[in-house]
Amino acid sequence: AQRVTQPEKLLSVFKGAPVELKCNYSYSGSPELFWYVQYSRQRLQLLLRHISRESIKGFTADLNKGETSFHLKKPFAQEEDSAMYYCALTLASNYQLIWGAGTKLIIKP
Amino acid sequence: DVKVTQSSRYLVKRTGEKVFLECVQDMDHENMFWYRQDPGLGLRLIYFSYDVKMKEKGDIPEGYSVSREKKERFSLILESASTNQTSMYLCASSDSISETQYFGPGTRLLVL
Repeated sequence: AQRVTQPEKLLSVFKGAPVELKCNYSYSGSPELFWYVQYSRQRLQLLLRHISRESIKGFTADLNKGETSFHLKKPFAQEEDSAMYYCALTLASNYQLIWGAGTKLIIKP
Repeated sequence: DVKVTQSSRYLVKRTGEKVFLECVQDMDHENMFWYRQDPGLGLRLIYFSYDVKMKEKGDIPEGYSVSREKKERFSLILESASTNQTSMYLCASSDSISETQYFGPGTRLLVL
């Protein structure tokens, strides 16, 4: 069965430190993966998707098919990065997304 | 910009009441989704629709129904609200090409 696992419910790092939010998936097909972010009192929004290979707000994520991972990274965390982050996997057959449970990222000053 | 709106930000209902949550999108998207968002559980799909009058059950459809009479509008109905349906409800839409989902602001429902 398809599954997305975000092992950390909460991640707390100091401003300026590197950040890595983990995401592992299980899917037998060719995956398309996303990171969504929800800032306090804002709606959930797309941060990045692996197919576009973009860096958004300094974040990058590389799809590692061997390790079935799609970890989100940023070299120097900023306070405004504090938010809830969700990793998601699309099922190409029906436009559904399979969601991880989310990781709350707190950036300490 | 894609705009997804939800009829209420906050709603308080009593057990047994029928509850209607409405979602409207203005980008002519084919696909629309209803999720509930609970701490530690992430987003769980209740129902989705890929066309007018079409609907598919998600992971947790029990106690809910949906209606999509027009392309831009997707309604979630709680036939008889129960306290375990207290949650944040998120609506989203997507087109059939990019698959990116665009979310509404959410409705926080409290069932007493």
